[in-house]
Amino acid sequence: EAEVAQSPRYKITEKSQAVAFWCDPISGHATLYWYRQILGQGPELLVQFQDESVVDDSQLPKDRFSAERLKGVDSTLKIQPAELGDSAMYLCASSSIGPGQFYEQYFGPGTRLTVT
Amino acid sequence: KQEVTQIPAALSVPEGENLVLNCSFTDSAIYNLQWFRQDPGKGLTSLLLIQSSQREQTSGRLNASLDKSSGRSTLYIAASQPGDSATYLCAVRRRDTGGFKTIFGAGTRLFVKA
Repeated sequence: EAEVAQSPRYKITEKSQAVAFWCDPISGHATLYWYRQILGQGPELLVQFQDESVVDDSQLPKDRFSAERLKGVDSTLKIQPAELGDSAMYLCASSSIGPGQFYEQYFGPGTRLTVT
Repeated sequence: KQEVTQIPAALSVPEGENLVLNCSFTDSAIYNLQWFRQDPGKGLTSLLLIQSSQREQTSGRLNASLDKSSGRSTLYIAASQPGDSATYLCAVRRRDTGGFKTIFGAGTRLFVKA
C-alpha cells in the first residue's frame, strides 16, 4: 500500500540552529501539505502545494520557515533559526483530486522536533 | 472563519460499549469532512470521509454521519475494544481562494478499558 514518507522521525536541535524535514508524498498525488501539531491540539496547516506551486502559506512564519517542492514531487520544510516554541510534531500529507478521491488526505508518520 | 470543536475532549469507557464522538463546525458551506485516528506520537490514519452531499459513511464498526445544516458530524463506534484507544480528529474542508482549506478539531482522546 502506498504511503507518505517522512524523515527524520525525530530531531533534537538547539535553539538558533537550522533544521530541515523531508517528505515524499504518495506517487501521483499533486497536493502536498505541511502541518504543525502542538501536543494536545489538532494539526494546523503551514503550507499547501499544488504540484510545485504554493497555494496557501498564510500560516507559515515566513521570517524563519521556508518550504519548497521544486519538481512537484518531494518537499522540504526548513526552519532557521529554530526557537523553543517550534517544538512540535511536523506532519506531511498528500491528496489527489482524481476520480473518487475528493482531496482525501493521507498522512506520513511525522517528525517530532524538540528544540533545547 | 471556520471553527471546529470536538466534544468531549477525553472519554473513558469499558470494553464492549457503543460510543459517539461529536464534531461541530461553524460554517456549513463545507466540501467534505474527514475523520482520523491518531495513536500517541504517530501520524494520522484516515477512517472515513463524507462528502457534503452525503449523510453517512460506514466502515466496519465505524459509522460517521453528517448534518450540514446544523453544523454537526458524529462518529459512532460499535462494540469498542481496547485497540480503539487513540485520539480521534475530525477535519472540515471548504473551498477557498486558491483551492481548498482544511481545519482540524483538537480531537477526542478515547480510552477503552479491558
